[in-house]
Amino acid sequence: GDSVTQMEGPVTLSEEAFLTINCTYTATGYPSLFWYVQYPGEGLQLLLKATKADDKGSNKGFEATYRKETTSFHLEKGSVQVSDSAVYFCALLTGGFKTIFGAGTRLFVKA
Amino acid sequence: GAVVSQHPSWVICKSGTSVKIECRSLDFQATTMFWYRQFPKQSLMLMATSNEGSKATYEQGVEKDKFLINHASLTLSTLTVTSAHPEDSSFYICSARNPQGTTDTQYFGPGTRLTVL
Repeated sequence: GDSVTQMEGPVTLSEEAFLTINCTYTATGYPSLFWYVQYPGEGLQLLLKATKADDKGSNKGFEATYRKETTSFHLEKGSVQVSDSAVYFCALLTGGFKTIFGAGTRLFVKA
Repeated sequence: GAVVSQHPSWVICKSGTSVKIECRSLDFQATTMFWYRQFPKQSLMLMATSNEGSKATYEQGVEKDKFLINHASLTLSTLTVTSAHPEDSSFYICSARNPQGTTDTQYFGPGTRLTVL
């Protein structure tokens, strides 16, 4: 079945460091791909999305490119801030409109 | 933008009681809503798909008699945890599909934290 695999955390970085969180997926067809962020004690917020191969989603300095050939959707940010500390979920939307989430990656950014 | 609300945001109840959680789409009509469960420091697991005017579709392993879902209107779905036990303590999150948007427009509620004593 469809699934999402993302790198285990926690990831600890210093402020202004470069961030990469790897995400790969398995799916039939061509799913839409998402990154969601969950700040402590809060619900999910959509961070960015891409709906077809080679699309690049971007928001708040974060980027991810839909790579069909490697079935990947890695999240990157050039310079993280303390306020970026949160849990990041990679997800795909199946043809049946169900969202499949990865396990989540916790990011800690130190000042 | 589209907003989905949940009520209550947190609830504490005694073992054996039932708890109802509401999920509302505030500025669009949602023919489909989804209920997820999230254990501490874990990912979200889809529990069921709620379609307005019809029975909910439950994922494998989810007890339909335990988690009653009612989608009585285009803006409201409810999840009732019946005869709650401590192992039902979790973070419950709903989402709503906006049919007016693109096919992948889905909005998540802020979640409801349930603690069963």
